[in-house]
Amino acid sequence: GAVVSQHPSWVICKSGTSVKIECRSLDFQATTMFWYRQFPKQSLMLMATSNEGSKATYEQGVEKDKFLINHASLTLSTLTVTSAHPEDSSFYICSARPPRTGNQPQHFGDGTRLSIL
Amino acid sequence: GENVEQHPSTLSVQEGDSAVIKCTYSDSASNYFPWYKQELGKRPQLIIDIRSNVGEKKDQRIAVTLNKTAKHFSLHITETQPEDSAVYFCAADKSGGSYIPTFGRGTSLIVHP
Repeated sequence: GAVVSQHPSWVICKSGTSVKIECRSLDFQATTMFWYRQFPKQSLMLMATSNEGSKATYEQGVEKDKFLINHASLTLSTLTVTSAHPEDSSFYICSARPPRTGNQPQHFGDGTRLSIL
Repeated sequence: GENVEQHPSTLSVQEGDSAVIKCTYSDSASNYFPWYKQELGKRPQLIIDIRSNVGEKKDQRIAVTLNKTAKHFSLHITETQPEDSAVYFCAADKSGGSYIPTFGRGTSLIVHP
């Protein structure tokens, strides 16, 4: 089945550091990938839609200069949290689905737990 | 846009009991309804889905029902086991790879041994 790989799984770093998270579709091409943020015991909050070869579409309230998204190929999207601060600490998850016709479920990466000290 | 309501937010049952989680949606154009299970610190994983041309689907102890007229769908877990303890999310979706699914807020299911 479709597999989405996300790295790293865990990051601990100092305030002010920029952190890059990678999301790869391993056995299919994804023109669209999604980035979510999840707080403890809460639902998935869509941050942005990553579009291959074009700019990402950000949800209301998400700072595009803070959360840089690059989707340079059909199998890779990256999320960079720039100048991270403790309030950016969270669980970040990407997802994608195969571009086949008909209904297809989202396939999620393993998530990245980001802790900013 | 689509709006998905999910209830209850927390569900506590005894091992062997049944558990039911309910979701409603607002957009009649939604035609695909997946359910995900998320264990603590892990990715959401698809456990069952249903398409709008079907009223019910069953996979062993898990079943999903869909009422298009009322715009609601439910997840049923029978003979619950402690390993069923997790957060469950419903979603309303449409055909097309770029369509953004709308997720419910999640239900924390606790199965007591």
